[in-house]
Amino acid sequence: AQKITQTQPGMFVQEKEAVTLDCTYDTSDQSYGLFWYKQPSSGEMIFLIYQGSYDEQNATEGRYSLNFQKARKSANLVISASQLGDSAMYFCAYIRQGGSEKLVFGKGTKLTVNP
Amino acid sequence: KAGVTQTPRYLIKTRGQQVTLSCSPISGHRSVSWYQQTPGQGLQFLFEYFSETQRNKGNFPGRFSGRQFSNSRSEMNVSTLELGDSALYLCASTLDRVAHGYTFGSGTRLTVV
Repeated sequence: AQKITQTQPGMFVQEKEAVTLDCTYDTSDQSYGLFWYKQPSSGEMIFLIYQGSYDEQNATEGRYSLNFQKARKSANLVISASQLGDSAMYFCAYIRQGGSEKLVFGKGTKLTVNP
Repeated sequence: KAGVTQTPRYLIKTRGQQVTLSCSPISGHRSVSWYQQTPGQGLQFLFEYFSETQRNKGNFPGRFSGRQFSNSRSEMNVSTLELGDSALYLCASTLDRVAHGYTFGSGTRLTVV
């Protein structure tokens, strides 16, 4: 079974600085996708960014970018110019494409942005 | 456009009772998935429905069940509630193309006392 590891239970960053949230995955699948979601205290999971295993370029969405290193099986999220509203839980999730389409989540990282 | 709507937002039930949670997906989305989130186990997949058929099921006891209607709305039911069923239950819908991502609702927070 696939395993997603987020080694940072909590991270702190100063407003306007960049921060990297780590995610590694363990799989033997050839075709898969990786997501990052943000969960504020309200509970809703907000989609941030997606990377497919065959995508040649790293995904970017505004201030979010995904540092995808396939050989190392890592998919780190980079948030540039942090804002106070970025304080939340962040989850990395894996999905096997072409098979059972269920998301497998990591344990999450709690990000706190300090003013 | 309207997002994924889950009702109710909060629920308090007594052990042994049953509960039904509702999820209305984004218009046009035919795939609806359910996840349970607890502090101890994190986010775990419950089941997925597509065009009224259960397509995938997680490792949960038979007390957890669900269904999907012809308008893609989905319900999940938990019978004989246990204290350990207290959790945030999240519903997600998708156009059935992974790259579009899964859109989640705000969840139903169930407390079993």
